[in-house]
Amino acid sequence: DTAVSQTPKYLVTQMGNDKSIKCEQNLGHDTMYWYKQDSKKFLKIMFSYNNKELIINETVPNRFSPKSPDKAHLNLHINSLELGDSAVYFCASRGTGVVETQYFGPGTRLLVL
Amino acid sequence: ELKVEQNPLFLSMQEGKNYTIYCNYSTTSDRLYWYRQDPGKSLESLFVLLSNGAVKQEGRLMASLDTKARLSTLHITAAVHDLSATYFCAAPRISYQLIWGAGTKLIIKP
Repeated sequence: DTAVSQTPKYLVTQMGNDKSIKCEQNLGHDTMYWYKQDSKKFLKIMFSYNNKELIINETVPNRFSPKSPDKAHLNLHINSLELGDSAVYFCASRGTGVVETQYFGPGTRLLVL
Repeated sequence: ELKVEQNPLFLSMQEGKNYTIYCNYSTTSDRLYWYRQDPGKSLESLFVLLSNGAVKQEGRLMASLDTKARLSTLHITAAVHDLSATYFCAAPRISYQLIWGAGTKLIIKP
């Protein structure tokens, strides 16, 4: 029943490792996002895909690579994890109407040791 | 470049009091979004304000939009503890990308 789901919910890993976070939405939305929320709660847009096509690619280290196998899924792969990558990563999706709101997943809490 | 500023960033208040959170944005926008985030949880949409003068209310929360002043307000009436959360406003830069305020952390004490 969950509209936007993410796995895993928690991720604890060592510096230098590579990890992936998966996101799926069952709302039939065309647009999906990855956000990073730091310890001060500031939300930063990282990427956005529309129908599997990258439309927003903010200034993010190229260690972060999104991949959208279909419009219901948007995954985030992170190479060579650094301490500063520790944050909560939220996936969100949005319908096609101009005034549509964004629906957020539960978040993935990443801690890099 | 669109910037969204909220104030205050932190608000501690007593139950039963009224207060207002302000959201200013720097360029023309005809829409404004408010979200709520409980501690350790995700963001939940509260209101979408679609035009100048729009007012929406849900329970003890009321949001309004003045596009000429580039200002939205979120008013809390007779606050209760359950409203403790972080509240974000966001304005669209383009139709599908929101620019977010820094959030207002609201603590309501019994």
